[in-house]
Amino acid sequence: AQKITQTQPGMFVQEKEAVTLDCTYDTSDPSYGLFWYKQPSSGEMIFLIYQGSYDQQNATEGRYSLNFQKARKSANLVISASQLGDSAMYFCAMREGRTGFQKLVFGTGTRLLVSP
Amino acid sequence: NAGVTQTPKFRVLKTGQSMTLLCAQDMNHEYMYWYRQDPGMGLRLIHYSVGEGTTAKGEVPDGYNVSRLKKQNFLLGLESAAPSQTSVYFCASSRRGGGSPLHFGNGTRLTVT
Repeated sequence: AQKITQTQPGMFVQEKEAVTLDCTYDTSDPSYGLFWYKQPSSGEMIFLIYQGSYDQQNATEGRYSLNFQKARKSANLVISASQLGDSAMYFCAMREGRTGFQKLVFGTGTRLLVSP
Repeated sequence: NAGVTQTPKFRVLKTGQSMTLLCAQDMNHEYMYWYRQDPGMGLRLIHYSVGEGTTAKGEVPDGYNVSRLKKQNFLLGLESAAPSQTSVYFCASSRRGGGSPLHFGNGTRLTVT
């Protein structure tokens, strides 16, 4: 079974609008962590935001926020005020268990295109 | 501060040839990882290391070997390359801590003909 599911292969948004990228996960471990990474066309992987399963509040980092709905097992990434530079692939990933290291399982990604 | 450096950036191999991908990090991170990225499949963990002298298998370890003789270096070897190993390979490192993100290198694009 897929542990991380990203159902949107591609998303389009206009500049300055907000966009939500979906991510659902599957685990029976009560302790886990969820990450979002951005991969521009240049190919590097850029860390955006992290949410721990025991965190009480949704994570935020600048224009990025994570809409964490534990009961629904979803961890959607919200990008506010989209910019042209946000055009990229976005990957959701999960670490299971209370380990100090990150054996991450990645989703298949969503390609975001921001238009002027 | 270079972060995570991978060499080479590109490589073409013939089936059956061998090669080693080099990864070096200068952040004194305890943990290091090798992932491969294939179209439509996201990133998959090949091997990882939780410390100098230790290695462990990830999700797709067959056909690869690794070594971590020094804390800052993590080597990925292909003993007999196959076309199925055509992929982009990413090395990453992280420090201790549940929320510590992976820091990735820029990737190595490998083609096996």
